[in-house]
Amino acid sequence: AQKITQTQPGMFVQEKEAVTLDCTYDTSDPSYGLFWYKQPSSGEMIFLIYQGSYDQQNATEGRYSLNFQKARKSANLVISASQLGDSAMYFCAMREGDSGNQFYFGTGTSLTVIP
Amino acid sequence: EPEVTQTPSHQVTQMGQEVILRCVPISNHLYFYWYRQILGQKVEFLVSFYNNEISEKSEIFDDQFSVERPDGSNFTLKIRSTKLEDSAMYFCASERDTNEKLFFGSGTQLSVL
Repeated sequence: AQKITQTQPGMFVQEKEAVTLDCTYDTSDPSYGLFWYKQPSSGEMIFLIYQGSYDQQNATEGRYSLNFQKARKSANLVISASQLGDSAMYFCAMREGDSGNQFYFGTGTSLTVIP
Repeated sequence: EPEVTQTPSHQVTQMGQEVILRCVPISNHLYFYWYRQILGQKVEFLVSFYNNEISEKSEIFDDQFSVERPDGSNFTLKIRSTKLEDSAMYFCASERDTNEKLFFGSGTQLSVL
């Protein structure tokens, strides 16, 4: 089974609108961390936001928030007030607490912001 | 903000040749990683390194790959005899402690001809 599933290969959003990028995960480890990274066309991986499995509140970082629904094993990224510079690939990733120190990445969602 | 530095940004090599990809992790970080991303595919874990030894490696990381921390600052990935399917973007990453966020370098695009 896939550790991280991103079902939206491509998404479009109007500038200044909000958009939700979906991510579901699969783990039996009670301790894990969930991450979102942005990859612009230049190729680098930029950290956006982190949610720990024991965190009670949803993580927020500026215009980014993580909608963490533990029972549904989902960790959707919400980008508010989209900007043209948000156009990029977005990757959801997970690290399992006691099962090694590697990250598992999803296949990514390509977001295009339309002016 | 401190950053992970990778060189070169692009590397073109002939099949069968050896390549060394270089990384300078953030100075107070202790855990180092290599990942790769074949064009259009997801990012895949290769290897993790801590305390001067490999702590975990994936199935991809076979005998043609090796990593080294030759001095206090550099972290290298060597591919001994490159194959066409090694063409990918290779990312170095580091972190201060486990269960923290990974800082990624900007990647080395390797093209094997």
